[in-house]
Amino acid sequence: AQKVTQAQTEISVVEKEDVTLDCVYETRDTTYYLFWYKQPPSGELVFLIRRNSFDEQNEISGRYSWNFQKSTSSFNFTITASQVVDSAVYFCALEGYQKVTFGTGTKLQVIP
Amino acid sequence: DTEVTQTPKHLVMGMTNKKSLKCEQHMGHRAMYWYKQKAKKPPELMFVYSYEKLSINESVPSRFSPECPNSSLLNLHLHALQPEDSALYLCASSQARQGFYGYTFGSGTRLTVV
Repeated sequence: AQKVTQAQTEISVVEKEDVTLDCVYETRDTTYYLFWYKQPPSGELVFLIRRNSFDEQNEISGRYSWNFQKSTSSFNFTITASQVVDSAVYFCALEGYQKVTFGTGTKLQVIP
Repeated sequence: DTEVTQTPKHLVMGMTNKKSLKCEQHMGHRAMYWYKQKAKKPPELMFVYSYEKLSINESVPSRFSPECPNSSLLNLHLHALQPEDSALYLCASSQARQGFYGYTFGSGTRLTVV
């Protein structure tokens, strides 16, 4: 069975603060993919990053960075110098051989 | 064209109505998906089409009927829905059946059943 846990239900930060969204997963598959998606109030799911289970390199894309640690089954997402436009629900997802499992999402509110 | 287009954006229907949701992509993706998302919940997989054939039906009630007329189009036919079926319906596509390349999602159809 697969499971994705996003323990933070809601986070509020003041603009320009850094914020880390946590994601912990469980799977028995040896090959799997991890994703982060952003869902703004308009509803669409926006793909942010995909990471395969063999690639533990951290990644930075502008103000976004991701820390994948297989030893702790975590794939955390950090936004540096947050902006109001970052306000959204962020989903972590895991795909193994059978299906995609989404976490319950973390609602991020960036206050100006 | 790197988009998945869903129409309509909003739909209100009665419990005796028949309506259809439409999804279109022109990225050459061979897998297409329907997801249902209730408020404050993650998306839940409903159907998967791979190469225009239904490959997964996640025990969805028969009042939801998917159709894939060609590799670019995916429809979801709705009939005799219940108020609890009100949700955001998201379509997605990926290069292949297991979306290891990531999924492209549409902006969804917000459905209200009255």
